[in-house]
Amino acid sequence: AQKVTQAQTEISVVEKEDVTLDCVYETRDTTYYLFWYKQPPSGELVFLIRRNSFDEQNEISGRYSWNFQKSTSSFNFTITASQVVDSAVYFCALSYYNNNDMRFGAGTRLTVKP
Amino acid sequence: DTAVSQTPKYLVTQMGNDKSIKCEQNLGHDTMYWYKQDSKKFLKIMFSYNNKELIINETVPNRFSPKSPDKAHLNLHINSLELGDSAVYFCASSRREGVSGNTIYFGEGSWLTVV
Repeated sequence: AQKVTQAQTEISVVEKEDVTLDCVYETRDTTYYLFWYKQPPSGELVFLIRRNSFDEQNEISGRYSWNFQKSTSSFNFTITASQVVDSAVYFCALSYYNNNDMRFGAGTRLTVKP
Repeated sequence: DTAVSQTPKYLVTQMGNDKSIKCEQNLGHDTMYWYKQDSKKFLKIMFSYNNKELIINETVPNRFSPKSPDKAHLNLHINSLELGDSAVYFCASSRREGVSGNTIYFGEGSWLTVV
C-alpha cells in the first residue's frame, strides 16, 4: 500500500523566513511519481511539481525548491524568503507509474505573517 | 479557457434531496476523477474513469453515482443527501499512462452543504 505522511499540520513563519515542508512516503513499487500541490485560501488545487522515482535531482523554481531523497523516502519542499501570498495548505502526493490512484498526505497549513 | 470546470461552485441543499455536480475538461485527457475533501482538508479519491470506463471505485456509499457520457465529462450524482456529505468535491483529469507523468489537474471545487 502507498502512504504519504506530512507530519507538520501547521507552520507559521514571518515574511522573508525560509520554511521547509516535510513529506515522507511509503511504497513497495520501484517506479512512482511524487507531487506537491498548493491550495490557497480561495480553495483551488494548484499543481506545483512532479518528480519521477528514478530522478533524484533536486529542483529549483524561483523561491521554491524540492529535495527528493529515496534513501529516506522523503520529498521535502522549501520556500525561500517566504511571502504572505505563500499562505496556503500544501499537499504532497504519490502515485504509481501506470496507476492513476494518487494518494495525498493530510496537508500542511502554512501561514506567512507580514 | 478553464482546463477543468465544474458546476455548481456552491450548493446548499436539504437532507434527502438528490443533486448533481457536472464536470468537463478540455485538456484532451482520457482519465477523470472525483475527489472529496472533508472539513479537515483531507483529500480522498472517490472514483476514476478512463475513456468512460470505471477504473477506481473507492468505498463510497452507493448513493454516489458517477456518470461519464464521454471522456471529456464526468458528472457526479448524489441521492438522498446526508449531513455527512457536506464537503468540497473536486473533479480532476489526467492522461492515463505514466510517460507524461499522469499529473492530475483539478477543477476549482464544488462546495456542497447539506442542511
